[in-house]
Amino acid sequence: AQSVTQPDIHITVSEGASLELRCNYSYGATPYLFWYVQSPGQGLQLLLKYFSGDTLVQGIKGFEAEFKRSQSSFNLRKPSVHWSDAAEYFCAVGLSYNTDKLIFGTGTRLQVFP
Amino acid sequence: DAGVIQSPRHEVTEMGQEVTLRCKPISGHNSLFWYRQTMMRGLELLIYFNNNVPIDDSGMPEDRFSAKMPNASFSTLKIQPSEPRDSAVYFCASTGGGIKTQYFGPGTRLLVL
Repeated sequence: AQSVTQPDIHITVSEGASLELRCNYSYGATPYLFWYVQSPGQGLQLLLKYFSGDTLVQGIKGFEAEFKRSQSSFNLRKPSVHWSDAAEYFCAVGLSYNTDKLIFGTGTRLQVFP
Repeated sequence: DAGVIQSPRHEVTEMGQEVTLRCKPISGHNSLFWYRQTMMRGLELLIYFNNNVPIDDSGMPEDRFSAKMPNASFSTLKIQPSEPRDSAVYFCASTGGGIKTQYFGPGTRLLVL
């Protein structure tokens, strides 16, 4: 069955430090890949997505993610974290056949210290 | 575009009462999703509509939950009777045209006393 794993439940970084959030998926073909961010009390907002082409994708708020087929991974990175980046981050996988359904990971909560 | 609209934003009710949550998807989107989010269970897909037809309702917890989509611009999620364990944030999301990206509403925070 298709699945998404975010191995880190909670990550704490200092403001200005670099960030990498991990995401691994299980699916036989190349999936559609997404990262969403949820600030406290808010809905989920799309950060970036990968459908095909260049495996390094840029998103909003200075985030980027790299699709690595050999590792079944789609890790999210940011070179310098800001205090406003504190939020919960969800990786999601969309299946390639005729469905709009997404499989979400369990999320990673990011805490940023000044 | 106004995005996905959900109402009410907050609902406090007593156990046993009927609760109706409402969602207006983005115009032109033909897929609509209802999710529930809790600390214990995370984000759960409850039901997925495509072209107003329920495609996957395997996540609906039990018969107390029902969802309808009478037309392309409106959906409801009803809980009858409500129980304290139904307390959660309920999100509606929509997508369409093959874009795959789901756009989420702001959620309805439900508290059942």
